[in-house]
Amino acid sequence: GAVVSQHPSRVICKSGTSVKIECRSLDFQATTMFWYRQFPKQSLMLMATSNEGSKATYEQGVEKDKFLINHASLTLSTLTVTSAHPEDSSFYICSALGAGETQYFGPGTRLLVL
Amino acid sequence: AQSVTQPDIHITVSEGASLELRCNYSYGATPYLFWYVQSPGQGLQLLLKYFSGDTLVQGIKGFEAEFKRSQSSFNLRKPSVHWSDAAEYFCAVGWGGGADGLTFGKGTHLIIQP
Repeated sequence: GAVVSQHPSRVICKSGTSVKIECRSLDFQATTMFWYRQFPKQSLMLMATSNEGSKATYEQGVEKDKFLINHASLTLSTLTVTSAHPEDSSFYICSALGAGETQYFGPGTRLLVL
Repeated sequence: AQSVTQPDIHITVSEGASLELRCNYSYGATPYLFWYVQSPGQGLQLLLKYFSGDTLVQGIKGFEAEFKRSQSSFNLRKPSVHWSDAAEYFCAVGWGGGADGLTFGKGTHLIIQP
């Protein structure tokens, strides 16, 4: 139980285009999901908290107009990287809040912006 | 500032030997404490967590961790490691509770020697 999926697992795009990443909780409902970013050989940094049916809460320094988050249902949150640039290349990981106040993580999405 | 410290970037242990991975946090109150493992190509997997109660916590795969309030530590231990334990280990803290975004340490890369 408590499985979280992400799609796609990796994506390559051209500079200036937008990319959408999906995060799904497969066997439980999650009113709250989180988006993290992980740079190579570094830790995970929280980007934003996504609550179903309401606006996301962004961490300091994260541009909400660049990283659009939509949590339209209890099992799906999406992160759209708008007008992507090479510095946005990273590993994006989502988590979903499950039972026992525990976050369950997706496998991550590797984004490469050329 | 609230922070999580994993002082060991790399640790090398012989197969069958015992293991201890260190984690310290800076905060006045007792936060929610987690240990996750990240294997290549896989998402973060929860090993164990501590919210309250017994300070020695048992987790999956034979891991345990001990919360020591006086030292602000939550060290992870395993009495006998297996080659399959080679991975990246992250200590994480939920400052406002389990439902908040997590603050991660930088991770410890565990190498198992035959």
